[in-house]
Amino acid sequence: DAGVIQSPRHEVTEMGQEVTLRCKPISGHDYLFWYRQTMMRGLELLIYFNNNVPIDDSGMPEDRFSAKMPNASFSTLKIQPSEPRDSAVYFCASSFKGTSYNEQFFGPGTRLTVL
Amino acid sequence: SQKIEQNSEALNIQEGKTATLTCNYTNYSPAYLQWYRQDPGRGPVFLLLIRENEKEKRKERLKVTFDTTLKQSLFHITASQPADSATYLCALAYIGSGNTGKLIFGQGTTLQVKP
Repeated sequence: DAGVIQSPRHEVTEMGQEVTLRCKPISGHDYLFWYRQTMMRGLELLIYFNNNVPIDDSGMPEDRFSAKMPNASFSTLKIQPSEPRDSAVYFCASSFKGTSYNEQFFGPGTRLTVL
Repeated sequence: SQKIEQNSEALNIQEGKTATLTCNYTNYSPAYLQWYRQDPGRGPVFLLLIRENEKEKRKERLKVTFDTTLKQSLFHITASQPADSATYLCALAYIGSGNTGKLIFGQGTTLQVKP
């Protein structure tokens, strides 16, 4: 298996622009997670899905952030409009062992820079 | 809210020695605790999971302990090698209502093994 796939790997954009991050989980995994990592706050959970349904979005910082999972093999995280404080590395992860707190498999991340 | 603390200072040790990393938590009693390794520019990689009824878990040169009284987990790497140099993240499994749950990550401790 190719593992969790994220695109793009790097994104540089200007404040106010829309940003869309993409994730393909490992086939057969029923949980998908979006995290954000910064030096100041570490790795924070933004939202997670189970069988394509959002379960917990309490970590989504503002209404500017939205996430969708239209099918079992694809998810997007959208920021609109983007702000410089959104600059971070965004990770997608997936897991399959029946709960949302078992071992997770992370993608390589998308490094977002908002100017 | 749940709080998880890892030593923010980097740990520098000599090759061949045992590295010991500490993870302390407050305001919660997790049923599970996990350790991940993260290399620069990459996503975290799962290493070990330990349950609250397990005092110790081993995997090759790795050993994890879980003391629910002290609210502490220790992560040991024996016979350390320069290739073990990385950041190690501790994560506790927070289980909420309806058996939904998520991982809460510590900030990580960077280990540097010198040849």
